[in-house]
Amino acid sequence: EVQLVESGEGLVQPGSSMKLSCVASGFTFSNYGMNWIRQAPKKGLEWIALIYYDSSSKYYADSVKGRFTISRDNSKNTLYLEMNSLRSEDTAMYYCAKGGGNPFDYWGQGVMVTVSS
Amino acid sequence: DIQLTQSPSTLPASLGERVTISCRASQSISNSLNWYQQKPDGTVKRLIYSTSTLESGVPSRFSGSGSGTDYSLSISSLESEDFAMYYCLQYATYPWTFGGGTKLELK
Repeated sequence: EVQLVESGEGLVQPGSSMKLSCVASGFTFSNYGMNWIRQAPKKGLEWIALIYYDSSSKYYADSVKGRFTISRDNSKNTLYLEMNSLRSEDTAMYYCAKGGGNPFDYWGQGVMVTVSS
Repeated sequence: DIQLTQSPSTLPASLGERVTISCRASQSISNSLNWYQQKPDGTVKRLIYSTSTLESGVPSRFSGSGSGTDYSLSISSLESEDFAMYYCLQYATYPWTFGGGTKLELK
């Protein structure tokens, strides 16, 4: 059974940094691209980042480009999202999701990030 | 960026009814279109990929169709567990983008 379990949720001040993790199981993690998707309160879904299976390519939404960094450790079956210069508009539920070529076949349960002073 | 316009944004419907949700892209996306269901607890599930391929385990009352810029998700006979949010996603071009969502609610 595929499982994606995010961690790292919390409340941070504007301008600060935070790192999310997503531990994968039930599939060969090193064979698949992985993504982060977020959903602001009462809003729709927004794809924010993709990393290829071998970390050779990364893509970002304009809203996070230059502030967020996606990475992975295939030896630990873990996906990361490093978030810097956080803004109030980054407040959202953050999901990790499997899939590069045909995306998001499995999703985690999500973690809440709140940016507020 | 490719914009996806979903309609309607809210869809009141009854049990047993057939419904259709539309997703229109701002340019051709060559069938690179998936549909997702989100339940009130936040759980997200892929229903349809590549426009019309049903995800394993998804009931056959769900179906997808379309081409070019116009796509749709249909549910042939609504059951109680189908009342949820639905989103389309295009993955033809980066940045991948979602439609604004359709809330399927009980009439």
